[in-house]
Amino acid sequence: GDSVTQMEGPVTLSEEACLTINCTYTATGYPSLFWYVQYPGEGLQLLLKATKADDKGSNKGFEATYRKETTSFHLEKGSVQVSDSAVYFCALSEEVGGGADGLTFGKGTHLIIQP
Amino acid sequence: GAGVSQSPRYKVAKRGQDVALRCDPISGHVSLFWYQQALGQGPEFLTYFQNEAQLDKSGLPSDRFFAERPEGSVSTLKIQRTQQEDSAVYLCASSFPNSYEQYFGPGTRLTVT
Repeated sequence: GDSVTQMEGPVTLSEEACLTINCTYTATGYPSLFWYVQYPGEGLQLLLKATKADDKGSNKGFEATYRKETTSFHLEKGSVQVSDSAVYFCALSEEVGGGADGLTFGKGTHLIIQP
Repeated sequence: GAGVSQSPRYKVAKRGQDVALRCDPISGHVSLFWYQQALGQGPEFLTYFQNEAQLDKSGLPSDRFFAERPEGSVSTLKIQRTQQEDSAVYLCASSFPNSYEQYFGPGTRLTVT
């Protein structure tokens, strides 16, 4: 079945450091890929998405590129802020469009940014 | 506008009790999903509705779990004869059909003692 593997946390960085959170996946088909974020005390919200190979999703300074050859979707940001502290989940959906199917999530990576 | 709401936010049940968890999706969202999130884990898919039709229930862990959405809006997840391993946060999400984005509620934290 489908699965998502992401780096274990917590990841602790200083403000303005570069961030990479690794995510790899296995899927039987050709999935859509997502990063969701959960800020303290809030619900899950979509951060960015990519639906086909070589697509780059971006939002709030975060980027991730859909790499079919390495089955990866690593999350990157050039300069993190304290407000980026949250739990980040990589996820995939097999259904075309990514909506009409349940998401398969990784275990989450807790990111802590220190001032 | 209002987001996805869930109630109760917290529920403590004694082992063997039945519980019912409610989800109010965003108005106009046809698709509704339930997920179970154990402590320190990512959410795991339980079931999916399109309007009132339950199109996928492959993730329900046992026949003690039952979900319904009789009028295609509010949904209820029912767990019968709760067990300790049912302790988790239960998340509801809704979306337009074939939309990439699922909008998640705050979850219901169920603790079975």
